[in-house]
Amino acid sequence: AQSVTQLGSHVSVSEGALVLLRCNYSSSVPPYLFWYVQYPNQGLQLLLKYTTGATLVKGINGFEAEFKKSETSFHLTKPSAHMSDAAEYFCAVSARASYGKLTFGQGTILTVHP
Amino acid sequence: EAGVTQSPTHLIKTRGQQATLRCSPISGHTSVYWYQQALGLGLQFLLWYDEGEERNRGNFPPRFSGRQFPNYSSELNVNALELEDSALYLCASSSTGRRVNTEAFFGQGTRLTVV
Repeated sequence: AQSVTQLGSHVSVSEGALVLLRCNYSSSVPPYLFWYVQYPNQGLQLLLKYTTGATLVKGINGFEAEFKKSETSFHLTKPSAHMSDAAEYFCAVSARASYGKLTFGQGTILTVHP
Repeated sequence: EAGVTQSPTHLIKTRGQQATLRCSPISGHTSVYWYQQALGLGLQFLLWYDEGEERNRGNFPPRFSGRQFPNYSSELNVNALELEDSALYLCASSSTGRRVNTEAFFGQGTRLTVV
């Protein structure tokens, strides 16, 4: 069984500040990890993914995440927030034995203040 | 290239009725996934179709069903609608579902409201 916990349902930052969205997962098998972003009234867009290999993953729009097996974490960061980053972010996990089935966290709404 | 398209965008049904939601995957994609995004419940996996067959199913009652057509488009049917079925239903497609690290592209969703 797999689960994802996103710490903080709402995160607020100032424009130009560091963005840190936290994600912890539970998986009985080596996980594949994803971050998606959802803008209002839209579907999900993949920001980045970790499957195997390098644990620091770079994605679109300046976001990156680091897979830390010992901490079962996959936190999302961005050095400098832009107003356009305001959206809801979802961390998700899947496993090879669960083809196509993504387990999502509850989501974190990111607000960016001028 | 067209992305994943879903229709209708909005759907209003009465409790007890049936709803049919449609999804067209990206050209060349053979796998289609359905997810429910209900208020307060987050995103939950519903169904996965690949090559015309149901491959995986989430923890939903049998009144949630679907199918995949030879052109890989898909329908999600919800029978005997209940108020709590009101949600955004998202469809996603990928080039193959047998490799879990294949990126899934999502559509804009169908907003189902049950009154």
